[in-house]
Amino acid sequence: GENVGLHLPTLSVQEGDNSIINCAYSNSASDYFIWYKQESGKGPQFIIDIRSNMDKRQGQRVTVLLNKTVKHLSLQIAATQPGDSAVYFCAENNYGQNFVFGPGTRLSVLP
Amino acid sequence: GAVVSQHPSRVICKSGTSVKIECRSLDFQATTMFWYRQFPKKSLMLMATSNEGSKATYEQGVEKDKFLINHASLTLSTLTVTSAHPEDSSFYICSARVPRADATNEKLFFGSGTQLSVL
Repeated sequence: GENVGLHLPTLSVQEGDNSIINCAYSNSASDYFIWYKQESGKGPQFIIDIRSNMDKRQGQRVTVLLNKTVKHLSLQIAATQPGDSAVYFCAENNYGQNFVFGPGTRLSVLP
Repeated sequence: GAVVSQHPSRVICKSGTSVKIECRSLDFQATTMFWYRQFPKKSLMLMATSNEGSKATYEQGVEKDKFLINHASLTLSTLTVTSAHPEDSSFYICSARVPRADATNEKLFFGSGTQLSVL
């Protein structure tokens, strides 16, 4: 896949601060997006999804923002906790085709 | 959320042996499952799409005779790494789509992954 070989960008935030993780997606026709959290040695865990007819969706402590104009997706985590330390992936889907995953961002929460 | 169970979580084997990894959808039927390989600090690399009742679809560069996929039921797909060698050591992850009637916006859930180490 095209993401193999890329090194993960890292975001470091202070515990208690808000985190913003960004993702640029590639296909303007993508209509469905998911954010995943992957802890070391585990499979990706579903966090939140959003459809292309929305520009914002909120969950518990997380918010996903979608800007279709610039093909940008972001995940905001409020009051970041040590347990939020993980790699976060965005995934885009085009009308039921296979999901395409971003390269991932490693979030490190500093005490 | 939907549960995808993957087993084993970790396996160590000798070079030349075959290893089977199971992926089960526990509370839904999955006509399609996916197998990924992940290298340390890298993103997910799709290996193949497992289709219930038919042959798997392999991505370019993935040897189908090396990575045998069987999707014999709507809740089980297996990946067998045949004649494993040290270069096959990796983290393997399966996923499954939770079906929707209109086949759009189907959520994708992942198994917990299998760390394969070939000595």
